[in-house]
Amino acid sequence: EIVLTQSPGTLSLSPGERATLSCRASQSLSNNYLAWYQQKPGQAPRLLIYGASSRATGIPDRFSGSGSGTDFTLTISRLEPEDFAVYYCQQYNSSPPRTFGQGTKVEIK
Amino acid sequence: QVQLQESGPGPVKPSGTLSLTCAVSGGSISSSNWWSWVRQPPGKGLEWIGEIYHSGTTKYNPSLKSRVTISLDKSKNQFSLNLSSVTAADTAVYYCARGSYWGYFDYWGQGTLVTVSS
Repeated sequence: EIVLTQSPGTLSLSPGERATLSCRASQSLSNNYLAWYQQKPGQAPRLLIYGASSRATGIPDRFSGSGSGTDFTLTISRLEPEDFAVYYCQQYNSSPPRTFGQGTKVEIK
Repeated sequence: QVQLQESGPGPVKPSGTLSLTCAVSGGSISSSNWWSWVRQPPGKGLEWIGEIYHSGTTKYNPSLKSRVTISLDKSKNQFSLNLSSVTAADTAVYYCARGSYWGYFDYWGQGTLVTVSS
């Protein structure tokens, strides 16, 4: 099973600042099959990024993904008020099982 | 626009079976997608339960495999989850989701809270 470790657990930032979230895989994701999701309280997760760096339909370009192998990053260039949420990474390189990271909460400082 | 909607009978007693259905609209369940179940215990992270392909091929989380069955009903354009021998640890919000052919989840249901309690 591929374990995903996200850091930090919580990120305290102000609107307009840049957010950098990390996701590290226990094994190399050979096809960069890594996705990022945003989840707000009481809502289902929303797909932001797939294939490590491809934005999903309708996702603003302030969200970007990068990385390869075992180290991946989600960057939010300038935080908008609606971006404060929990973010999860998910690998689909190896299944079963598909696995998620434990999440990073981006909170208002 | 694909939409998914979970439904189920409500609370489940310990040792009973949790049964949920996901109705799919705006798209066909016979398309080249994985139809998946993901759960989230209150205040915790996401856990993949398993999925079924339109051909009927299934994949399950090894940690739940002995208790899980996922099935398709093409005539109703829906798929279902059965989880047997439930305990309080199975209390969670259960989401159905559409998995792309490669395995990321591009559409999600709103989720339904299932409580296991006597």
